[in-house]
Amino acid sequence: DTAVSQTPKYLVTQMGNDKSIKCEQNLGHDTMYWYKQDSKKFLKIMFSYNNKELIINETVPNRFSPKSPDKAHLNLHINSLELGDSAVYFCASSPTGSDSGNTIYFGEGSWLTVV
Amino acid sequence: GDSVTQMEGPVTLSEEAFLTINCTYTATGYPSLFWYVQYPGEGLQLLLKATKADDKGSNKGFEATYRKETTSFHLEKGSVQVSDSAVYFCALSGYNKLIFGAGTRLAVHP
Repeated sequence: DTAVSQTPKYLVTQMGNDKSIKCEQNLGHDTMYWYKQDSKKFLKIMFSYNNKELIINETVPNRFSPKSPDKAHLNLHINSLELGDSAVYFCASSPTGSDSGNTIYFGEGSWLTVV
Repeated sequence: GDSVTQMEGPVTLSEEAFLTINCTYTATGYPSLFWYVQYPGEGLQLLLKATKADDKGSNKGFEATYRKETTSFHLEKGSVQVSDSAVYFCALSGYNKLIFGAGTRLAVHP
């Protein structure tokens, strides 16, 4: 069983469209994250949720809206896609916040290409 | 703010060579430190971690020691294999997030 699973793995879409990426973890963790990896492989936190509550929103445009229906799921919806949104988006989870030394477990990534 | 600096790549080595990838950090307090690896076309996997000063993390022949005095967490392996070719990320634990370095690409040739 995949611990952190996200779908779709690949997504090609046109500018201006709205798309969603779904994420589920079966590890029983309380905290979930979305990270963005750009074309130069740089990884940056976008959002962090703890028990369905938003903890971190790292200066992400309003077009990005995370939703956590329960603590095992954290979906990412993106409105009005732009070329610059092309990236790999990683979902992740950890038992509690990472500042206690807990390992963050990552999904396999969703490769988004906006054309 | 907290940050992580890694040596720039790519690092190109022959099989069985010794590997060092440098990582230094700036942080308030005493973060935990991590190395993650990303194989081509795949997600991030935890390679090793250390949660306090002088701890040594190790896994699959890789090692790194948490050095508070030099604020470093260098990754080493005594004999690399072609299968170690990947991008390696050093990271520190911040408030409810990991802060990553820019990544170092390793290419190992037979």
